[in-house]
Amino acid sequence: GNSVTQMEGPVTLSEEAFLTINCTYTATGYPSLFWYVQYPGEGLQLLLKATKADDKGSNKGFEATYRKETTSFHLEKGSVQVSDSAVYFCALSGPYTGRRALTFGSGTRLQVQP
Amino acid sequence: DGGITQSPKYLFRKEGQNVTLSCEQNLNHDAMYWYRQDPGQGLRLIYYSQIVNDFQKGDIAEGYSVSREKKESFPLTVTSAQKNPTAFYLCASSPGLNTGELFFGEGSRLTVL
Repeated sequence: GNSVTQMEGPVTLSEEAFLTINCTYTATGYPSLFWYVQYPGEGLQLLLKATKADDKGSNKGFEATYRKETTSFHLEKGSVQVSDSAVYFCALSGPYTGRRALTFGSGTRLQVQP
Repeated sequence: DGGITQSPKYLFRKEGQNVTLSCEQNLNHDAMYWYRQDPGQGLRLIYYSQIVNDFQKGDIAEGYSVSREKKESFPLTVTSAQKNPTAFYLCASSPGLNTGELFFGEGSRLTVL
């Protein structure tokens, strides 16, 4: 079945540092890939998405590229801010998920220190 | 503004009691979902509904029940049969099943005493 694996957190960075959160997936067919963000005490919000191989999703300075050859969708940001502190979830969907909705990774907590 | 409203935000219940979590959306979305979130485990799908009067079990449906009598509403009942109900519950909706982008409510935190 489909699955998503994310790097364990927490990830602690200083402000303006470079961020990478790794995400790899297992799926049949050609899933769409997503990054969601959850701020403390809130629900999840879509951060970015990519629907086919080599697509790059981007939003608010975050980027992720759909790499089919490595089944990865790593999240990057060149310069993080304290306000980026949150939990980040990688997720996938696709034509072969059948009865499922999105399949989520376990989440990676990011803590940015001033 | 359009969105998803979950209530209550916090709920305490004694063991052996059923409790119902409300989820209402005014986005005119066809599909609705309930997820459970536990620390370090991400989100797990409980139930989903593609259309009014239809719903399907997700990965962890045991001890839960739902109804979908109206397009806007998808309440979740946590029954006494759920062995470990303390968790954060998230409701979501999307324009259709497997379209990928979900819109989430702010969640309901249930604590069993």
